[in-house]
Amino acid sequence: KQEVTQIPAALSVPEGENLVLNCSFTDSAIYNLQWFRQDPGKGLTSLLLIQSSQREQTSGRLNASLDKSSGRSTLYIAASQPGDSATYLCAVMDSNYQLIWGAGTKLIIKP
Amino acid sequence: GAVVSQHPSRVICKSGTSVKIECRSLDFQATTMFWYRQFPKQSLMLMATSNEGSKATYEQGVEKDKFLINHASLTLSTLTVTSAHPEDSSFYICSARDESINYGYTFGSGTRLTVV
Repeated sequence: KQEVTQIPAALSVPEGENLVLNCSFTDSAIYNLQWFRQDPGKGLTSLLLIQSSQREQTSGRLNASLDKSSGRSTLYIAASQPGDSATYLCAVMDSNYQLIWGAGTKLIIKP
Repeated sequence: GAVVSQHPSRVICKSGTSVKIECRSLDFQATTMFWYRQFPKQSLMLMATSNEGSKATYEQGVEKDKFLINHASLTLSTLTVTSAHPEDSSFYICSARDESINYGYTFGSGTRLTVV
């Protein structure tokens, strides 16, 4: 059974720092992995989608990597800003096309 | 890009009444849509998978007679919370799989349901 774990559960850093969020999964048989952002009381915003055959994806200040063999993905945020404060979720699509979610990392960027 | 529209964004209803939430894919067709629920400070939990033209598949522990799902067209799925109770108060989010973008998921903006 696929399990997704995100570490840390919460993170607070000063503005301007580069930071890394981690996501691990137990079964390497995935179709893709997605990183999402969720603002309090709001829906999800898809940030980056990495196909199983890809190693990384970049969008602006965000870079996501995928190491399928070790069951890991990282989301790198460069030059963090207060507006980056949100909960970041990763989800893998398993062999049944189901999304398996991590519990999220709550990120606070202090001005 | 793919857009999923979800309505209403907020609804307050009295106990015992029913509430319908709509999820529409605006610029793509979705044979499959998903309904999630999120309680405060908890992870998203999949409630059911909605399949166009057939019965929805419910996750274990989700009452299918209480949460009625209808996926009558390729662009619309509805979730009806019947005989709502305060414990049904939650954040409901739908998503659709846009197969044209390699199975990426697009999410609605969510519906905050409060049952009083």
